[in-house]
Amino acid sequence: QVQLVQSGAEVKEPGASVKLSCKASGYTFTTYYIHWVRQAPGQGLEWMGRINPSGGYTNYPQKFQGRLTMTRDTSTTTVYMELSNLRSEDTAVYFCAKRGSGSYLDHWGQGTLLTVSS
Amino acid sequence: DIQMTQSPSSLSASVGDRVTITCRAGQSISYLNWYQQKPGQAPKLLIYAASNLLSGVPSRFSGSGSGTDFTLTISSLQPEDFATYYCQQSYSTPWTFGQGTKVEIK
Repeated sequence: QVQLVQSGAEVKEPGASVKLSCKASGYTFTTYYIHWVRQAPGQGLEWMGRINPSGGYTNYPQKFQGRLTMTRDTSTTTVYMELSNLRSEDTAVYFCAKRGSGSYLDHWGQGTLLTVSS
Repeated sequence: DIQMTQSPSSLSASVGDRVTITCRAGQSISYLNWYQQKPGQAPKLLIYAASNLLSGVPSRFSGSGSGTDFTLTISSLQPEDFATYYCQQSYSTPWTFGQGTKVEIK
């Protein structure tokens, strides 16, 4: 069965960087894009971008340009999301999710809580 | 960016009620999905491409609409359906979500 297992909770100071991981299993890793979505406490869902595990192509919204990097390791079927220059507004639960055969997200990781605080 | 607006933001309903949630896009879109999220859990896909029920999702859930106006209907609300529901467009990047509709027990 498809599984996306994310790394554990992180606490970072403002200005630092964080790198979260998402290990995929149960399907052909290079076939489907992986997306990242975050959710601030008590708030809605925000799309952060996507990566094609096959060629490494990425697509990020303008608001994250220059601060966000998604990478993948095909040997371990793991996708990484690195966010730099952290601020308090980045405190959120970060989800990775797998695209399905259409333009939707059909499997999600369990989420990783990132807390940015001094 | 395409803005997605859901209404209502919250509603109270009883088990057995018919519930309808509306999602309006800021421009015409051709791909709209619906997700359910319970507290402390990741979202779960319910409906894709406006009206296609994901395999395994109960048939009391249905979706309709096109262009800018879409609806999610729960024909007979069950106890396990109390959750927050989000619409999401994947017509163009950045993908965007509605603000959510919280369905609470009356």
